[in-house]
Amino acid sequence: SQQGEEDPQALSIQEGENATMNCSYKTSINNLQWYRQNSGRGLVHLILIRSNEREKHSGRLRVTLDTSKKSSSLLITASRAADTASYFCATDLFSSGNTPLVFGKGTRLSVIA
Amino acid sequence: GAGVSQSPSNKVTEKGKDVELRCDPISGHTALYWYRQSLGQGLEFLIYFQGNSAPDKSGLPSDRFSAERTGGSVSTLTIQRTQQEDSAVYLCASSLPDSETQYFGPGTRLLVL
Repeated sequence: SQQGEEDPQALSIQEGENATMNCSYKTSINNLQWYRQNSGRGLVHLILIRSNEREKHSGRLRVTLDTSKKSSSLLITASRAADTASYFCATDLFSSGNTPLVFGKGTRLSVIA
Repeated sequence: GAGVSQSPSNKVTEKGKDVELRCDPISGHTALYWYRQSLGQGLEFLIYFQGNSAPDKSGLPSDRFSAERTGGSVSTLTIQRTQQEDSAVYLCASSLPDSETQYFGPGTRLLVL
């Protein structure tokens, strides 16, 4: 079964607006990652947040993690048309080392110019 | 440098035929993962190779699916006696030792008629 569940499933915003996507997961984690996918092809790693971190920034991305609620959010500020993609959260399947990831079903973001 | 490559990009086959999907990971990446992405199912882990260790096959959906990794590099995913429900995008990813970040290939889109 899926570990992460994103909401909303789809989000449509105007260029320049902020986009917020949420992810919930079921079991304890070491870290949580966000990936982006264009046109149903390969995924690109965006950001990783560890279980002992509460917030992390990378450029226009801001990720928060609340382990007590088993949830995370991804905020994209000042969105651009090029941000149009699907965004997935992912958590570890195993507890240590290299591990396969368990993905949510993703949020489809459309940024309208 | 070169990223993860996969071939073919697209594959159309008839039900009952066998197919082989290839993945070339990034040089130096000891971990290699296969995932499947199908409509309504999201991304599912299939199989995972770590160095010279025996692969973790816990995600394979049936015994029609198998994979091998030769020389710790190239991997081939084989689906025998394909079924229509095998239609999906098959994604390969690789990562450095003890790194959580995975680098994905562009995927192979498989259509079983």
